[in-house]
Amino acid sequence: KQEVTQIPAALSVPEGENLVLNCSFTDSAIYNLQWFRQDPGKGLTSLLLIQSSQREQTSGRLNASLDKSSGRSTLYIAASQPGDSATYLCAVGAGSYQLTFGKGTKLSVIP
Amino acid sequence: EAQVTQNPRYLITVTGKKLTVTCSQNMNHEYMSWYRQDPGLGLRQIYYSMNVEVTDKGDVPEGYKVSRKEKRNFPLILESPSPNQTSLYFCASSIGLAGVPTGELFFGEGSRLTVL
Repeated sequence: KQEVTQIPAALSVPEGENLVLNCSFTDSAIYNLQWFRQDPGKGLTSLLLIQSSQREQTSGRLNASLDKSSGRSTLYIAASQPGDSATYLCAVGAGSYQLTFGKGTKLSVIP
Repeated sequence: EAQVTQNPRYLITVTGKKLTVTCSQNMNHEYMSWYRQDPGLGLRQIYYSMNVEVTDKGDVPEGYKVSRKEKRNFPLILESPSPNQTSLYFCASSIGLAGVPTGELFFGEGSRLTVL
């Protein structure tokens, strides 16, 4: 059964710092991986989707990489802002049409 | 505007009183799914559907039913709710290719359910 782990569970950084969030998964036979943002009491918003054939995706200040062989993905956030404060989740698509989520990293960007 | 709409957004009910949480998407997506989110446990998949009349169990299907009679709608039914079903529920949809959710996953705003 696929297991997805996100470390750290919480992270606090000063505004302007570059940061990396980590996601690891146990079964490398995936078809895609997505990174989401969740604000308190809200739904999830997709940030980046990486198909299994891709190595990375970029959107603005965000860059996500995927290394299937090692079972790892990273989300890089450049020049962090207080508005980036949220919980970030990764989800792995594998096996019989199921998506498995990590428990998330709660990010706080301090002005 | 691309949307996944859930109703109700908030509901307080009592043990044993049947309820339905509706989910509708306007993107003609093949794949739809229900999740529950609980503190410390994260998001767990309840049921998913690859297309009309095709549904399957996720990780935590006990106590829930679903149906997919139309492509746009995927209601979640709690036949006899119990307090352990108190949770935040999310519906999501995606493009599907050969039944696999290959595209970006769109989420509804969530339905907070309390069972007394």
